[in-house]
Amino acid sequence: EAGVVQSPRYKIIEKKQPVAFWCNPISGHNTLYWYLQNLGQGPELLIRYENEEAVDDSQLPKDRFSAERLKGVDSTLKIQPAELGDSAVYLCASSLAQRGAPDTQYFGPGTRLTVL
Amino acid sequence: AQSVTQLGSHVSVSEGALVLLRCNYSSSVPPYLFWYVQYPNQGLQLLLKYTTGATLVKGINGFEAEFKKSETSFHLTKPSAHMSDAAEYFCAVSSYSNYGGSQGNLIFGKGTKLSVKP
Repeated sequence: EAGVVQSPRYKIIEKKQPVAFWCNPISGHNTLYWYLQNLGQGPELLIRYENEEAVDDSQLPKDRFSAERLKGVDSTLKIQPAELGDSAVYLCASSLAQRGAPDTQYFGPGTRLTVL
Repeated sequence: AQSVTQLGSHVSVSEGALVLLRCNYSSSVPPYLFWYVQYPNQGLQLLLKYTTGATLVKGINGFEAEFKKSETSFHLTKPSAHMSDAAEYFCAVSSYSNYGGSQGNLIFGKGTKLSVKP
């Protein structure tokens, strides 16, 4: 069974440029998460989807970050414009859990973003 | 609000020695607790989780953890370290809504990097 797929694995951009990250969850997983992981820190939730619905986006900086999950499968996270402080690893995870069941989250390898 | 504290950002042990990684949590309701491992340039992989029932939880690769409510702890142990255990370990607690019940969101600690010396 294929795991969570993310692309690209690495991205280097200049500040003020836009950037997008793509995630394909495990087949059948209805819940999808985007996390931000700064160097030396644990992951922090940015947004959680249940199917197509963003059920928790309270930690997503909406002035520059956006996300979508069309058709309830793949998801894209976008930053526009990127700032130096956005340099981090962006992790995608998926699970079978819906509406509160703490099922196991499966993580992708992440996208390491460097903003110059 | 829930939180997780991992004591010690770096732990070094000799191969064959006991591994003990400490995790304390804060939660106003019964927590769900998790340990994840992250190898360099990889995503997080679940080692074990506590939801309800038996407080001693066994996971993959010989790891286990014990939920101690009185101490609000969920420490991770392994009797004998192997070189392949060198990685970063994250403790996490599942968050709850104001109306009770799990939201499914994980709140992670800052991680403990484990080094294993030959």
